[in-house]
Amino acid sequence: GAVVSQHPSWVICKSGTSVKIECRSLDFQATTMFWYRQFPKQSLMLMATSNEGSKATYEQGVEKDKFLINHASLTLSTLTVTSAHPEDSSFYICSAVAGATGETQYFGPGTRLLVL
Amino acid sequence: AQSVTQLGSHVSVSEGALVLLRCNYSSSVPPYLFWYVQYPNQGLQLLLKYTSAATLVKGINGFEAEFKKSETSFHLTKPSAHMSDAAEYFCAVSAYGGSQGNLIFGKGTKLSVKP
Repeated sequence: GAVVSQHPSWVICKSGTSVKIECRSLDFQATTMFWYRQFPKQSLMLMATSNEGSKATYEQGVEKDKFLINHASLTLSTLTVTSAHPEDSSFYICSAVAGATGETQYFGPGTRLLVL
Repeated sequence: AQSVTQLGSHVSVSEGALVLLRCNYSSSVPPYLFWYVQYPNQGLQLLLKYTSAATLVKGINGFEAEFKKSETSFHLTKPSAHMSDAAEYFCAVSAYGGSQGNLIFGKGTKLSVKP
């Protein structure tokens, strides 16, 4: 089946630093990847849609200058949290749509970010 | 606009008992509906999906869901709960009613299974 990986799985950083999270589709090409954020005991909230070779589309209320998304290839999308603050601490999950089927999003295992 | 409502944030069943997790949707277009499961500190795994074919959808791990347009429901069931079914379950609808659209998630239902 389609597998999506994320790296790192855990990251702890100091306030003011930037953190990069990678999302990779391991055995398929993903023209579209999604980035979600999940707070404790809450559902996933879509942050942005990432299409290979073009600028990401951000959901309302998501700061594009703070959450930089780069979809450099058909198998890799990165989310960079710039100048992270404690309120950015969350569980970040990416998903990828397999180009052939197009119907299902395959989710990565998530990255837990803790900003001190 | 599309939305999903999951009734019951926490459901507890005994091992071997029927599992019923409720999901109602609202959609202005024919919906694509999904059920995902999330284990602690992990991403989401697709259980099953409805994409306008058969109304009774069978998924992995013995789960199934029935699409009922008249009731705008897509409830998830499993005849006999297993301890390994304890997890968080999310119902989702495709935001634009199509295949590659954004997913709108419900708030989730935590399933506990008692021995």
